[in-house]
Amino acid sequence: AQTVTQSQPEMSVQEAETVTLSCTYDTSENNYYLFWYKQPPSRQMILVIRQEAYKQQNATENRFSVNFQKAAKSFSLKISDSQLGDTAMYFCALGLIQGAQKLVFGQGTRLTINP
Amino acid sequence: NAGVMQNPRHLVRRRGQEARLRCSPMKGHSHVYWYRQLPEEGLKFMVYLQKENIIDESGMPKERFSAEFPKEGPSILRIQQVVRGDSAAYFCASSPPHGLLNGYTFGSGTRLTVV
Repeated sequence: AQTVTQSQPEMSVQEAETVTLSCTYDTSENNYYLFWYKQPPSRQMILVIRQEAYKQQNATENRFSVNFQKAAKSFSLKISDSQLGDTAMYFCALGLIQGAQKLVFGQGTRLTINP
Repeated sequence: NAGVMQNPRHLVRRRGQEARLRCSPMKGHSHVYWYRQLPEEGLKFMVYLQKENIIDESGMPKERFSAEFPKEGPSILRIQQVVRGDSAAYFCASSPPHGLLNGYTFGSGTRLTVV
């Protein structure tokens, strides 16, 4: 069975600061994807960034980057130059390449960016 | 190109009534996934469907819940004889084949409240 754990229920930083959200996961599979999703108050689930497990290079998308440590099963999200619009719930998710294409989500981290 | 459309956005049902949640996938997407989000939790996989086929329903409760994705029309998640514990946000996502590789798109969810 696959599990995803986010150990920080809430975080709060000042605008323009850098913040890192933690995520650990467990799976016995070797081929999988990892994702970070953002859920603002509108409830829409927005894909922030994706990492293929077979790639050693960490994924980046503008101000968002990940630190993927496969041996440690760790997948943290770094947000640089944080903006007020980054305020949201952030969910880490694991998806197996084989099979039902389903995602296993962590419990989420509520991130607040203060002006 | 409209995204994944879910309706209604909010649904209130009395205990014992039936709830029908609709999901129209993105144009060209033939795969649909349903997830449930309880308050302050991450999304939990329920069921994965292709047109006229249920591929994986390992996350569906054994009783009262059913899902379909007919040849024509939206996917429907049906909950019979609702109870207070069914109160949650229900999300639909759609994708082309190999959803995790090609990208899921989520709808904005239906918030079900059972009174």
